[in-house]
Amino acid sequence: RKEVEQDPGPFNVPEGATVAFNCTYSNSASQSFFWYRQDCRKEPKLLMSVYSSGNEDGRFTAQLNRASQYISLLIRDSKLSDSATYLCVVRDGGFKTIFGAGTRLFVKA
Amino acid sequence: NAGVTQTPKFQVLKTGQSMTLQCAQDMNHNSMYWYRQDPGMGLRLIYYSASEGTTDKGEVPNGYNVSRLNKREFSLRLESAAPSQTSVYFCASRGTGDYNEQFFGPGTRLTVL
Repeated sequence: RKEVEQDPGPFNVPEGATVAFNCTYSNSASQSFFWYRQDCRKEPKLLMSVYSSGNEDGRFTAQLNRASQYISLLIRDSKLSDSATYLCVVRDGGFKTIFGAGTRLFVKA
Repeated sequence: NAGVTQTPKFQVLKTGQSMTLQCAQDMNHNSMYWYRQDPGMGLRLIYYSASEGTTDKGEVPNGYNVSRLNKREFSLRLESAAPSQTSVYFCASRGTGDYNEQFFGPGTRLTVL
């Protein structure tokens, strides 16, 4: 079983739609959690960190459920520019950082 | 301030050849990482270095060696390249703190024939 598993993609949504991505992790000792965004043939870049209480950044909302070992990302009012691959990232209490396989999002006009 | 730099950007090797991928960061970060990315597999951690002088295996270390030359530089060596090592390789660095962001280099696209 992979340490970090994500929804298989791709997600195809119209502009303005709300879309949700899910991610589960297997290491109960994991301490910090993130969503990264990766554009085609580019390096990943941090989208947002995920805190225990949940957090929001504009149209993006991230949730963490430690009991179920589950992370989610909600994108509201999708834009064409949101088309990318979204990577769920989990870090243990030290330095080991593991990425999920990613979920591809296509937003169409 | 260049961030994380990687060389080369592209490389083609023949099976059995060796090469070293170079990575450097100018952000004074303690931790550095090497990942490989294959289609449909996401990024997989090869090795990481928590600080200068230390290295640890990640998810897929077989066939690779690393050197943390100093705080700035972290190199990845393929001693005898195999076609299964055809991939995009990303180096990353991170400062101290649980929620510190990992910054990535632009990647090296390696093909082994």
